Amino acid sequence: QKEVEQNSGPLSVPEGAIASLNCTYSDRGSQSFFWYRQYSGKSPELIMFIYSNGDKEDGRFTAQLNKASQYVSLLIRDSQPSDSATYLCAVNIRRGSTLGRLYFGRGTQLTVWP
Amino acid sequence: DAGITQSPRHKVTETGTPVTLRCHQTENHRYMYWYRQDPGHGLRLIHYSYGVKDTDKGEVSDGYSVSRSKTEDFLLTLESATSSQTSVYFCAISDSTSGLTYEQYFGPGTRLTVT
Repeated sequence: QKEVEQNSGPLSVPEGAIASLNCTYSDRGSQSFFWYRQYSGKSPELIMFIYSNGDKEDGRFTAQLNKASQYVSLLIRDSQPSDSATYLCAVNIRRGSTLGRLYFGRGTQLTVWP
Repeated sequence: DAGITQSPRHKVTETGTPVTLRCHQTENHRYMYWYRQDPGHGLRLIHYSYGVKDTDKGEVSDGYSVSRSKTEDFLLTLESATSSQTSVYFCAISDSTSGLTYEQYFGPGTRLTVT
């Protein structure tokens, strides 16, 4: 079982709608959770991170974490065509003495059409 | 952008030749990583470093070696390149002041083609 699973999509929403991206993880020792955006041909760019249960909002983006159900989601409000990209979920799992390793999902491709 | 550069940005090489990719950071971050990204596989960790001369293997380390002699530089070497190592390679850096989060920041990537 992979540490991090994402719905592979593709996900297509109209401009102005809410896009909902989901991610589940297998290790209950997971400590912090990250969302990256990756445009085609570019490197991943950090959007948000969260480590406490509940919601965290940053502009049009909201990350939601539910540790009991082991899922994390990203909501994008008022979606714009410029949000069209692949979104990567990543989880920081403590194993051994090192804390700095992330485990990535395979990504969900989002298309926002005008 | 975080101060991360990768060189070269593009490289075409022949099977069996050695190749070294360089990652350079100006952020003084403790952790550095090398990933490869391939269609259908997502980002896969090759090796990472948690300090100068301290490195460890990731999930796809066979055929790769790394070295970190200075905080700012992390080198990835393909001892004898194979066509299966054709990929896009990303370097990333991270650190944490709180001990709670280790957000990673990525370099621009190197596109490597092995013919």
